Amino acid sequence: EAGVAQSPRYKIIEKRQSVAFWCNPISGHATLYWYQQILGQGPKLLIQFQNNGVVDDSQLPKDRFSAERLKGVDSTLKIQPAKLEDSAVYLCASRERTSGGSYEQYFGPGTRLTVT
Amino acid sequence: AQSVTQLDSHVSVSEGTPVLLRCNYSSSYSPSLFWYVQHPNKGLQLLLKYTSAATLVKGINGFEAEFKKSETSFHLTKPSAHMSDAAEYFCVVSDKEGGSYIPTFGRGTSLIVHP
Repeated sequence: EAGVAQSPRYKIIEKRQSVAFWCNPISGHATLYWYQQILGQGPKLLIQFQNNGVVDDSQLPKDRFSAERLKGVDSTLKIQPAKLEDSAVYLCASRERTSGGSYEQYFGPGTRLTVT
Repeated sequence: AQSVTQLDSHVSVSEGTPVLLRCNYSSSYSPSLFWYVQHPNKGLQLLLKYTSAATLVKGINGFEAEFKKSETSFHLTKPSAHMSDAAEYFCVVSDKEGGSYIPTFGRGTSLIVHP
């Protein structure tokens, strides 16, 4: 079974530029998550999708961040314009079932973003 | 609202000695609890999970955790540390808020293993 795929793995941009990250979850996984992990901290949930609908985006800075999951499969996360504090690893994860809290998340390798 | 507190940012042990990584949680309902491990430059991997069955949960690589509702704790233990256990460990609580299960990560505990 293929894992969660993310691209690119690394990205360096200047502040005020825009950037997009892509995630392809495990086939058949209905729930998809985007996290931001700043160095030395735990992952912070940015947005959670269930199929192609948003379940939670309370911690997504909506003035600059946007995410979509068209057709309920792969997803993109965009930052426009980027700030220095957006430097972090962006993790994508997927989960098999939409209901029930006991199903584990499977994580991708992450995209390391550096904003200069 | 749910939350999770990992009481130690760093834990240092010698190889062959026991490991204890502490996690306390706050939840309004019956939560699911997880421990994930993150090795340097690697993805997050599930160690074990509690889902309201047995309170003592066994995971991979000899790790186990005990759910104690009265203490709202879910501490991770291992009888004998190995050098390969050096990594970042995250405790996660997932509770049903507003009809959906939203996960919350702790800040992480860095496990250092000395030879």
